Amino acid sequence: KAGVTQTPRYLIKTRGQQVTLSCSPISGHRSVSWYQQTPGQGLQFLFEYFSETQRNKGNFPGRFSGRQFSNSRSEMNVSTLELGDSALYLCASRGMGTAPPNYGYTFGSGTRLTVV
Amino acid sequence: SQQGEEDPQALSIQEGENATMNCSYKTSINNLQWYRQNSGRGLVHLILIRSNEREKHSGRLRVTLDTSKKSSSLLITASRAADTASYFCATDRGQNFVFGPGTRLSVLP
Repeated sequence: KAGVTQTPRYLIKTRGQQVTLSCSPISGHRSVSWYQQTPGQGLQFLFEYFSETQRNKGNFPGRFSGRQFSNSRSEMNVSTLELGDSALYLCASRGMGTAPPNYGYTFGSGTRLTVV
Repeated sequence: SQQGEEDPQALSIQEGENATMNCSYKTSINNLQWYRQNSGRGLVHLILIRSNEREKHSGRLRVTLDTSKKSSSLLITASRAADTASYFCATDRGQNFVFGPGTRLSVLP
């Protein structure tokens, strides 16, 4: 069973640009969540998508957006990049069971975004 | 704000020793999970303990949960160099998991 795949692994962008990150969840998982990880703030929840609908949203500005496609793949977009957006962006898919292994997050390896 | 807070922030031990990490949280939870993250990689789910459980084991891992104190501990016995990683507790708030800042564990050979 393939894991969660995030692309690209590394990305360097300039301030003011926009970026799109991609996440393919585990087959059969319909929930995809995104987290931002920085040394100063730790793991911060961005949003969760379930069956193409945003179900939950963290406390991030509107520059951060996402979507989910009918095959459960998800994309995250950050517009007008700022230096502070430099972070590891992690995607996690979640099964709908009540016990492992179909419960709990399975994380991808992340996309390391550097804004210069 | 973060729900869980791990303690200590960093821990260095010798191979073969036991490592204990603690997690405190603020509100009631459905369950608590522990994850491990190797440097710059994604998090790996280690173990889940439900709010009505007090202790759980998985291999060299032992997790306890005290809901009256709103705290949990993760014990890794007979540590190995490969256990070097950051460990996070996560609480299930119903719609998303909230992670603590993590404990950085270094196991020295």
